[in-house]
Amino acid sequence: EPEVTQTPSHQVTQMGQEVILRCVPISNHLYFYWYRQILGQKVEFLVSFYNNEISEKSEIFDDQFSVERPDGSNFTLKIRSTKLEDSAMYFCASSQVLGFSEKLFFGSGTQLSVL
Amino acid sequence: DQQVKQNSPSLSVQEGRISILNCDYTNSMFDYFLWYKKYPAEGPTFLISISSIKDKNEDGRFTVFLNKSAKHLSLHIVPSQPGDSAVYFCAASLSRGSRLTFGEGTQLTVNP
Repeated sequence: EPEVTQTPSHQVTQMGQEVILRCVPISNHLYFYWYRQILGQKVEFLVSFYNNEISEKSEIFDDQFSVERPDGSNFTLKIRSTKLEDSAMYFCASSQVLGFSEKLFFGSGTQLSVL
Repeated sequence: DQQVKQNSPSLSVQEGRISILNCDYTNSMFDYFLWYKKYPAEGPTFLISISSIKDKNEDGRFTVFLNKSAKHLSLHIVPSQPGDSAVYFCAASLSRGSRLTFGEGTQLTVNP
């Protein structure tokens, strides 16, 4: 069964450093998302992306965050200058169609630890 | 953000019995509701959904009930199996396909 792949599974960085979290969505999917879950808190929406543009972003997704689809297969989330509060599990998700939440497939996540 | 709330952090049931997981929401504009299941070291996987125009949706052992007047939904699993042990997230959206607002999750443990 096709799956969304995220690398690395764990990433440790120093506060103030830039990090790039990588995702390979399912190959024929067109819509891409990032969600995150801070330990002990809810899964939160960050951003949705379609046709090389951000479709929607949450209040969390400030200027420190950016997303990119650098080629036909990868989808990345960049945090320019990490803060302690950015420590979380980051989930990438993709969907082939718009308008069907049940068709959203999540990756296994990247655990980001900011020290 | 308290728009979607799962008040029970954990639930333990015996194999073969019914599991009932509950979820409350405050935003009356939510139009679509979903349940996701999450195993350790995996991402959430879709389980079942319901539109606000319905009050029940059934898929095999899983049934979701929606009470719009009470802003409450529940997930019933009958019969429960040990493989159902996971964290269950309730989620809601303003429309089918729009961003998801999640609850805190409930850890379900089904004992053999």
